[in-house]
Amino acid sequence: EPEVTQTPSHQVTQMGQEVILRCVPISNHLYFYWYRQILGQKVEFLVSFYNNEISEKSEIFDDQFSVERPDGSNFTLKIRSTKLEDSAMYFCASSARQGGAGELFFGEGSRLTVL
Amino acid sequence: KQEVTQIPAALSVPEGENLVLNCSFTDSAIYNLQWFRQDPGKGLTSLLLIQSSQREQTSGRLNASLDKSSGRSTLYIAASQPGDSATYLCAVPGSSNTGKLIFGQGTTLQVKP
Repeated sequence: EPEVTQTPSHQVTQMGQEVILRCVPISNHLYFYWYRQILGQKVEFLVSFYNNEISEKSEIFDDQFSVERPDGSNFTLKIRSTKLEDSAMYFCASSARQGGAGELFFGEGSRLTVL
Repeated sequence: KQEVTQIPAALSVPEGENLVLNCSFTDSAIYNLQWFRQDPGKGLTSLLLIQSSQREQTSGRLNASLDKSSGRSTLYIAASQPGDSATYLCAVPGSSNTGKLIFGQGTTLQVKP
């Protein structure tokens, strides 16, 4: 069964360092997303991406964050200068249909620990 | 602003019981509602997607209902098993139709053998 895959599964970094989280969405999906979940809190939307453009971003997704689809398969989230409060589980998701009509499929997540 | 609430926050039941998890949302103008399962430290597994035109959706021992007018959905789990132990999340799309989902805080279920 097709699935969303994410790497790395766990990354530990020092505050101020750049981090890139990688995702391979389901192959025929066109809509891509990043979410995050701080330990013990709700899953929060970060950004949606379609046709090489950001469709929507949340207040969390400030200038320190960026997304890219560098080739036909990967979808990345970059955090330029990590802060302690960026420590969270980051989930990539994809869907075949636009917006509210589509079922989202999530990856297993990348746990980011900022020291 | 859409808000999603799930009650109870935690639930512990003996194996074999039928149980109901509740989800409520404040803005009834939704396209669909999705239920997910999350095991500790793991990703989100989609269980059921109910479109706004549907009232129920079933998958195996799971049945989800949707009442848009009252802003409620329930997830019914029949004949619960220890393997059902997990956190169950419901989520609805935001109003912008970009695929943004708004999640509840989840119900953590423990099924005791």
